[in-house]
Amino acid sequence: DIQMTQSPSSLSASVGDRVTIACRASQSINNYLNWYQQKPGKAPKVLIYAASSLQSGVPSRFSGSGSGTDFTLTISSLQPEDFATYYCQQSYSTPPYTFGQGTKLEIK
Amino acid sequence: EVQLVQSGAEVKKPGESLKISCKGSGYSFTSYWIGWVRQMPGKGLEWMGIIYPGDSDTRYSPSFQGQVTISADKSISTVYLQWSSLKASDTAMYYCARHVGYSYGYEWFDPWGQGTLVTVSS
Repeated sequence: DIQMTQSPSSLSASVGDRVTIACRASQSINNYLNWYQQKPGKAPKVLIYAASSLQSGVPSRFSGSGSGTDFTLTISSLQPEDFATYYCQQSYSTPPYTFGQGTKLEIK
Repeated sequence: EVQLVQSGAEVKKPGESLKISCKGSGYSFTSYWIGWVRQMPGKGLEWMGIIYPGDSDTRYSPSFQGQVTISADKSISTVYLQWSSLKASDTAMYYCARHVGYSYGYEWFDPWGQGTLVTVSS
């Protein structure tokens, strides 16, 4: 299986900050990389697919980049509703399409 | 509106069997894979497996192969996740989600069901 490693595991930031979350794959996955947001007690929802494509309805302050093994999710100006846990997921080749361990974004 | 609605929370004893469900609506149910994802208490997301309701083709993660069974009844637009003998370590939230995409490799889960909490305790 392809292993996905996110960093950091947790992060404290303030409203208005620019935040970057990293995700590294154990082998090249081209740009077959998705990002999800999960708020406490809720199901995850997709933010970014294909490494950099913004899902319909997702605010433009979210962006994704990367290819190969290294990827980033950036939030350009944190809003109160962005405090949540973020997961990357690879969809390269055959299943399982593994997730990263998550990055918890907390209010400073 | 595309929706996946899951069955309600379950409390079971070790060794008991269980089948939880996920009903799709608002789209062509037989045209999209549906997956299951486990989230143990306070932990991250784990990809379990996916099924294509059109022909019941199923793929499992090696971590879950033989531990659970994924099935579908396309006549009622419902996918199932079942256990034959539950363990305390099966205690978790289980989500179903529609597997979508536009080309090989460009695939993701959207939307997700609301989750089914399974508690296994003696």
